[in-house]
Amino acid sequence: AQKITQTQPGMFVQEKEAVTLDCTYDTSDQSYGLFWYKQPSSGEMIFLIYQGSYDEQNATEGRYSLNFQKARKSANLVISASQLGDSAMYFCAMRGLYNFNKFYFGSGTKLNVKP
Amino acid sequence: DAGITQSPRHKVTETGTPVTLRCHQTENHRYMYWYRQDPGHGLRLIHYSYGVKDTDKGEVSDGYSVSRSKTEDFLLTLESATSSQTSVYFCAIRVGLETYNEQFFGPGTRLTVL
Repeated sequence: AQKITQTQPGMFVQEKEAVTLDCTYDTSDQSYGLFWYKQPSSGEMIFLIYQGSYDEQNATEGRYSLNFQKARKSANLVISASQLGDSAMYFCAMRGLYNFNKFYFGSGTKLNVKP
Repeated sequence: DAGITQSPRHKVTETGTPVTLRCHQTENHRYMYWYRQDPGHGLRLIHYSYGVKDTDKGEVSDGYSVSRSKTEDFLLTLESATSSQTSVYFCAIRVGLETYNEQFFGPGTRLTVL
């Protein structure tokens, strides 16, 4: 069974500071992919970043980076230099290699960036 | 923009009535998905399709059926809507067959069952 856990329902961060959003996962698959999505108040789902389970380096995309600790089964999202536009819900998701049609999402973290 | 539209975008209906939601894509992608989003649950997979007339169940498929008679359209039907099916419904497509290929989501349909 696959499970994604996001333990922070809501977080605040000061503008221009960095923030880490936590994500832990549970899977019996040897190969899998981890994803982060952003959902602003307008409702659309926006893909941010991907990490493969066999990738040796942490993924980075602009101000987003993924702190991947395989032994701990964690895939935390780090947003550097927060901006007001980063205020949104953030979802961690996982997909197994051999069951690639099953995408599992966490319950999300609502991030509020304060000016 | 992955060329995904959903209709209707908002719908209010009454318990016991049938409801059909439509997902339309313009780029002939093989894989299409229906999710529902509820507070505290994130997104949960209802059904998915891997080709015309080829569909399978997700983790919350009870009370829902799907059909795909054309590549571009994936329909989600609630045969007899219940209040527990009040939710936001997202359609998604998968671009590519690699593990790293993310899913692109439609704009969502907000369904209220009274």
